[in-house]
Amino acid sequence: ILNVEQSPQSLHVQEGDSTNFTCSFPSSNFYALHWYRWETAKSPEALFVMTLNGDEKKKGRISATLNTKEGYSYLYIKGSQPEDSATYLCAFNPNTGNQFYFGTGTSLTVIP
Amino acid sequence: DAGITQSPRHKVTETGTPVTLRCHQTENHRYMYWYRQDPGHGLRLIHYSYGVKDTDKGEVSDGYSVSRSKTEDFLLTLESATSSQTSVYFCAAGTPGEQFFGPGTRLTVL
Repeated sequence: ILNVEQSPQSLHVQEGDSTNFTCSFPSSNFYALHWYRWETAKSPEALFVMTLNGDEKKKGRISATLNTKEGYSYLYIKGSQPEDSATYLCAFNPNTGNQFYFGTGTSLTVIP
Repeated sequence: DAGITQSPRHKVTETGTPVTLRCHQTENHRYMYWYRQDPGHGLRLIHYSYGVKDTDKGEVSDGYSVSRSKTEDFLLTLESATSSQTSVYFCAAGTPGEQFFGPGTRLTVL
């Protein structure tokens, strides 16, 4: 069992604020790091797949960075909107085996 | 949802009864996965399949079995359901590098 940690566990921000959260994962046997967005009563939806150290991905107001040497990834949301309210999951994908290892998620609530 | 459906979507059953959950995919993905989601634990892998009749255990496989007789279907069976198996079950399909999730099945064991 590999340890994937996300922080903070939950976050409340005002509409328009920018925010970020962290995913920590093992720095060895790295293959990929995934970010998912998970809205209540829906299924997780893939945001980013990151494979290279120093990678930065962007989709609209959401971006993510990756540091495989120290084992962390940041997810940033610029100018948060109420529709950004969701749980954001990261999943570590090692180069051994066929499994993903999920963190427990960061629950984001954006207050109008 | 990438062509992934789960049935049933909700089920209430009693302790000791067998339960089978079905995952169906239309994208011909080789890999399929069953996870359970519980508060404070995120998604935990129960079993996965890397091809027809090829399956392997995940982190929380005790009390569960799986079968995959066709590429498109992956069944999860609780041989004798217990209250600790009350959870939301998610199926996923894809590759070792990318997974797409189904809508989930909420199972309550009384």
